[in-house]
Amino acid sequence: DIVLTQSPGTLSLSPGERGTLSCRASQSVGNYLAWYQQKPGQAPRLLIYDASSRATGIPDRFSGSGSGTDFTLTISTLEPEDFALYYCQQYGSSLTFGGGTKVEIK
Amino acid sequence: EVQLLESGGGLVQPGGSLRLSCAASGFSFSSYGMSWVRQAPGKGLEWVSAISGRGTSVTGGTTKYADSVKGRFTISRDNSKNTLYLQMNSLRVEDTALYYCARRGSSSWYGEFDHWGQGTLVTVSS
Repeated sequence: DIVLTQSPGTLSLSPGERGTLSCRASQSVGNYLAWYQQKPGQAPRLLIYDASSRATGIPDRFSGSGSGTDFTLTISTLEPEDFALYYCQQYGSSLTFGGGTKVEIK
Repeated sequence: EVQLLESGGGLVQPGGSLRLSCAASGFSFSSYGMSWVRQAPGKGLEWVSAISGRGTSVTGGTTKYADSVKGRFTISRDNSKNTLYLQMNSLRVEDTALYYCARRGSSSWYGEFDHWGQGTLVTVSS
């Protein structure tokens, strides 16, 4: 199975700052990678699919990049509502999720 | 509006069985792949099982399972009732989790999930 490793585990930032989250795959997944946001007590919400395509209704401050084994989710300017957990998911070979990155208020 | 409503969770003893249901509305259910994804308390997301939509198979949905549940869980769908199911047998303590129903963005079983339910809690304990 493909293992996804997300880093850092926790990202401490202030509103207005730029957030950069990493997801590394144990083998190539092409561009078959998605990103989700999850807030406490809520279901995950799709942000990005196919590595760089924004899902419906997602603000353009969220962007995804990468291919193969290295992927990045960038939040250009953190809004208060962006402090949450973020997961990557690959679908290049079966389906697996990364362990998550928590974006917390510094 | 797409809605997914899970039910059927509860407390069960190790070795027991449960059947989860996910009632779908607001879209053409038969045309979409569906999955179950679980989240143990305080932990990350784990894909459990998937079934494709009608478009990819003449005989019905292709089914896939995570190794951790293969042989114990069975996914199925009733397109006439717009409902997804997960039959869980031989339950283990480590199956304790919130189980989400999630919709694929197309008829295939693999890919991103564009809509999620709110989950149903399964607790396996003696």
